[in-house]
Amino acid sequence: DIQMTQSPSSLSASVGDRVTITCRASLDISNSVAWYQQKPGEAPKLLLYAASYLENGVPSRFSGSGSGTDYTLTISSLQPADFATYYCQHYYSSPWTFGQGTKVEIK
Amino acid sequence: EVHLVESGGGLVQPGGSLRLSCAASGFTFSNYWMHWVRQAPGKGLVWVSRINTDGTSTTYADSVKGRFIFSRDNAKNTVYLQMNSLRADDTAVYYCARADQSAYYFDYWGQGTLVTVSS
Repeated sequence: DIQMTQSPSSLSASVGDRVTITCRASLDISNSVAWYQQKPGEAPKLLLYAASYLENGVPSRFSGSGSGTDYTLTISSLQPADFATYYCQHYYSSPWTFGQGTKVEIK
Repeated sequence: EVHLVESGGGLVQPGGSLRLSCAASGFTFSNYWMHWVRQAPGKGLVWVSRINTDGTSTTYADSVKGRFIFSRDNAKNTVYLQMNSLRADDTAVYYCARADQSAYYFDYWGQGTLVTVSS
């Protein structure tokens, strides 16, 4: 099974900060990575797929990059609506696995 | 607009069974793979199972293999998760999710249904 190691597990940041979350796969997943946002009591929401493609309706302050085994989610200027937990996920093969999550909290 | 609505969760004793449903609308249901993902209280997301478009192929996480059965009824636009031999560590919110047709990431999710396994 492919493991997804996500870091950090949590971070504190202020509105307007640039935030970076990383995910490392246990083998080359050829950009088959998605990023999701989850707020308390809500279902996850797709933000990006294929490492860097923004889902329709997602603000452009979210971006993704990476290749091979290493991938990054960046929020260019953190907004109040962005305080949430973020998960990476690979869809390269079964079983589909998620990273452990990164909780973004208000500093 | 795509909608996925789960139902069937509740409290069940260890060793018991429960059947979850996920009703879909707003898209051509029979063209899409579907998945179940669960989240234990305060924990992360864990993939559970997937089913192909006509229900002839399913895959399961090792933790549920042999106990859970994923099926679908394309005439009713609904998928089902039959959960047997339930254990305390199956306690979670269960989400159904639609897989993108070409790349299989999860583009739409239901609101989830809570399953609690406890005596």
